[in-house]
Amino acid sequence: AQTVTQSQPEMSVQEAETVTLSCTYDTSENNYYLFWYKQPPSRQMILVIRQEAYKQQNATENRFSVNFQKAAKSFSLKISDSQLGDTAMYFCAFMNGNAGNMLTFGGGTRLMVKP
Amino acid sequence: DVKVTQSSRYLVKRTGEKVFLECVQDMDHENMFWYRQDPGLGLRLIYFSYDVKMKEKGDIPEGYSVSREKKERFSLILESASTNQTSMYLCASSPTGAFGILNTEAFFGQGTRLTVV
Repeated sequence: AQTVTQSQPEMSVQEAETVTLSCTYDTSENNYYLFWYKQPPSRQMILVIRQEAYKQQNATENRFSVNFQKAAKSFSLKISDSQLGDTAMYFCAFMNGNAGNMLTFGGGTRLMVKP
Repeated sequence: DVKVTQSSRYLVKRTGEKVFLECVQDMDHENMFWYRQDPGLGLRLIYFSYDVKMKEKGDIPEGYSVSREKKERFSLILESASTNQTSMYLCASSPTGAFGILNTEAFFGQGTRLTVV
């Protein structure tokens, strides 16, 4: 079974600054995907960024990037130039590529962006 | 745009009642999921379905059942609601993806906050 751990229950950052959210996971699989999802106060879960385990290059989506360390089983999310709209719960998630697209989630990090 | 719609945003039910939570997706996805979200625990999988009339238990199926009679609809049933089932419930759907094909994104509904009193 897979486990996903987010060690930071809450974080805050000043607007325009950079913040990094941590995530570690445990698996014996080789074929898997990792995700960061954002859940704003509206509760709609939104995909932020996705990483395929077989790719060495770190994924980037505009102000969001990941630091994927496969050997260390670490998958952190960096948010650059933080904006007030980034205030949300962030969930790290793991998907076993051989197991029907089920997601295993971490406990979440509540991020507050301060003006 | 993919849409996953949950029938209610808020529900209040009494202990012992039978509760139905409905979820409909409009993108012909094979896979549908019910998660429960609790503070500090993230999202935990209750049940999932990879085809009509097919269902598999997730991590916390006790006290729940599901129904998938049509591809677009996946229902979560609380046979006899209890106060420890007070939670946020999230439905999701995703297409079937083969390794290397980038169609593995899951799409979520807006959640149903259920309170059992």
